[in-house]
Amino acid sequence: IVLTQSAGTLSLSPGDRATLSCRASQSVSSSYLAWYQQKPGQAPRLLIYGASSRATGIPDRFSGSGSGTDFTLTISRLEPEDFAVYYCQHYRTFGQGTKVEIK
Amino acid sequence: QVQLVQSGAEVKKPGASVKVSCKASGYTFSNYYMHWVRQAPGQGLEWMGIINPSGGRTSYAQKFEARVTMTRETSTSIVYMELSSLRSEDTAVYYCARDQNGEAISDYVMAVWGQGTTVTVSS
Repeated sequence: IVLTQSAGTLSLSPGDRATLSCRASQSVSSSYLAWYQQKPGQAPRLLIYGASSRATGIPDRFSGSGSGTDFTLTISRLEPEDFAVYYCQHYRTFGQGTKVEIK
Repeated sequence: QVQLVQSGAEVKKPGASVKVSCKASGYTFSNYYMHWVRQAPGQGLEWMGIINPSGGRTSYAQKFEARVTMTRETSTSIVYMELSSLRSEDTAVYYCARDQNGEAISDYVMAVWGQGTTVTVSS
């Protein structure tokens, strides 16, 4: 299975809504679909698991949705600390990442 | 608190092996699967394999199967990842990452991460 995150980079401003896409090459189980955030020089951090469940301590501005082959991570209002790289993951496969940068 | 602390940076020559350790604390070591994930400079995340600390059973990504060995030491709550026949393309940060849930079957949700170990392969 290949996971494709269509946008390599999103240029947005604080306060904007961010919509990140992750498409699987074939239908996958939502149970194994997760999203991670990674900042420079840091380990990844789990944000979303089971496609839509927030991990412990994750603010509610982060939400996940989708099923089958199409999944979305939404950040409702970007805070300065949200500018980072985001990866989707299914089982043993990671997407290539989407960088959310300040416009 | 739950913590994974990895060993320090390594510099190796091509053809050598490297063994990275990951010491767990703050939870029952044998209850949670551990993954190894690597990240080459400027690149994305790549899953390498998984170990069940309870029985030591492992499963590796096909790409690494011939060169990687994951082991654990239950007395000290340490998991190890050894990669052999190193080449320049193995230069990367290597992370251990713990499953979210202490279930009998891994859910492949990596909820706790080590700080990463930089391995540089250079002649």
